[in-house]
Amino acid sequence: DTAVSQTPKYLVTQMGNDKSIKCEQNLGHDTMYWYKQDSKKFLKIMFSYNNKELIINETVPNRFSPKSPDKAHLNLHINSLELGDSAVYFCASSQVEGGVYGYTFGSGTRLTVV
Amino acid sequence: GIQVEQSPPDLILQEGANSTLRCNFSDSVNNLQWFHQNPWGQLINLFYIPSGTKQNGRLSATTVATERYSLLYISSSQTTDSGVYFCAVGRLMDTGRRALTFGSGTRLQVQP
Repeated sequence: DTAVSQTPKYLVTQMGNDKSIKCEQNLGHDTMYWYKQDSKKFLKIMFSYNNKELIINETVPNRFSPKSPDKAHLNLHINSLELGDSAVYFCASSQVEGGVYGYTFGSGTRLTVV
Repeated sequence: GIQVEQSPPDLILQEGANSTLRCNFSDSVNNLQWFHQNPWGQLINLFYIPSGTKQNGRLSATTVATERYSLLYISSSQTTDSGVYFCAVGRLMDTGRRALTFGSGTRLQVQP
């Protein structure tokens, strides 16, 4: 079973469209995240979320919004897509257990805006 | 925010060689992780190592928290070790504030 799964794996869309990326984790982790990886492979946090708190990176445009129907899911909605939004988006989850901080990434969603 | 610098940015090795990757960070942290991104883009967690030394097969890592650096050792490298190695740090404060700050990575190519 995939621990952190994202869909779709690839997404090609036109400028101005609205799209969503889904993420589900079956690890029972209490915190989920969205990261963006640009064309130079640089990874940057966008959101972190658990059932108590949503932390938004201040550099993220408000066209991006996370939605969490339950603790196992954290979806990413993007409105009015722009060319600069093209990137790979990674979902991740984490939990601290026995003093060890487990962190697991999904396989990524490659978004191309044309 | 915390700054993370990794060196070298690029590394080419012959199969069987050993290497050391370095990660320097600008502030005290209590969460440090090493990840490998394979050529297919999958990010794999290698070590959670805020301090001390850990070993897993041919890989080992050492973090000297007081001096704000971590080292990842790869011994007897194999072509399957190719990819990008990321160091990521954070501070475990309140629940929900566990996001990691990533370095820019070391791109490793192991040639047969």
